[in-house]
Amino acid sequence: DQQVKQNSPSLSVQEGRISILNCDYTNSMFDYFLWYKKYPAEGPTFLISISSIKDKNEDGRFTVFLNKSAKHLSLHIVPSQPGDSAVYFCVVGSGNTGKLIFGQGTTLQVKP
Amino acid sequence: EAGVAQSPRYKIIEKRQSVAFWCNPISGHATLYWYQQILGQGPKLLIQFQNNGVVDDSQLPKDRFSAERLKGVDSTLKIQPAKLEDSAVYLCASSPPGGRYNEQFFGPGTRLTVL
Repeated sequence: DQQVKQNSPSLSVQEGRISILNCDYTNSMFDYFLWYKKYPAEGPTFLISISSIKDKNEDGRFTVFLNKSAKHLSLHIVPSQPGDSAVYFCVVGSGNTGKLIFGQGTTLQVKP
Repeated sequence: EAGVAQSPRYKIIEKRQSVAFWCNPISGHATLYWYQQILGQGPKLLIQFQNNGVVDDSQLPKDRFSAERLKGVDSTLKIQPAKLEDSAVYLCASSPPGGRYNEQFFGPGTRLTVL
C-alpha cells in the first residue's frame, strides 16, 4: 500500500519559472512532512519541512504548502535554477515512531 | 563534520551469493537506518537501530537479510543468499538525538546488481 504518492514521475521547467511538485498521502495521523532532494550517485538530502499544525513554510526559493483536509502537500521552487535539477522525494513522518515514509520521487529538470 | 560513509559504492554478484555492506554514521548520531531503494521507487526502511538495539525491523526479509550494529557505531547489512530482486541501492542514514522532524542524514549508498 502506497501511503505517499507522487503521481508525476517527471517535470520539466524553464529556468526562472516556477516548479510545482505535488504529493498526496493517505494517513491523517502523520505529524510532519518533509521534502528531500537527491542528485545522482548521492544520498538524499533534507530540503524543507512543515509540521501538521502549519499550512505553509518558506525557506528562500522553496515553499512547502500543506492542505490537511485534502491530504495534499506541494513544493514550490521559484525561480527555478538549473542546479535544482534532481529527484525530489515527498516524505511523511510520525512523531510516535520517528519513521519516515518516502514517495516514489519526481525528477525535476530545469532547462537553461 | 564528516558525513555518513558507506562501502563499497558498487557491487556485482551472482544470485545465491552473499554480500555485505558497511556503514559508518555521523559521530554522535545514536540512530542508524538501512534503506533499500529499488529503481523508480523511493527508499524503503529495512531496519532502524537506536544505539546497538533494533527499534524496527518489520520490513527486513529476515530469511536472507541480517544487520548488526556493533558497539552502537558502525553497522553492516548482509544478504545471504542474494536474489535477482535484491538489485537496488542500499542507503544508510543516521540521525542525532532530538533531531528536528527526525531529519536523517544519508550516505551515498551502495548500488547492488544481482545477475
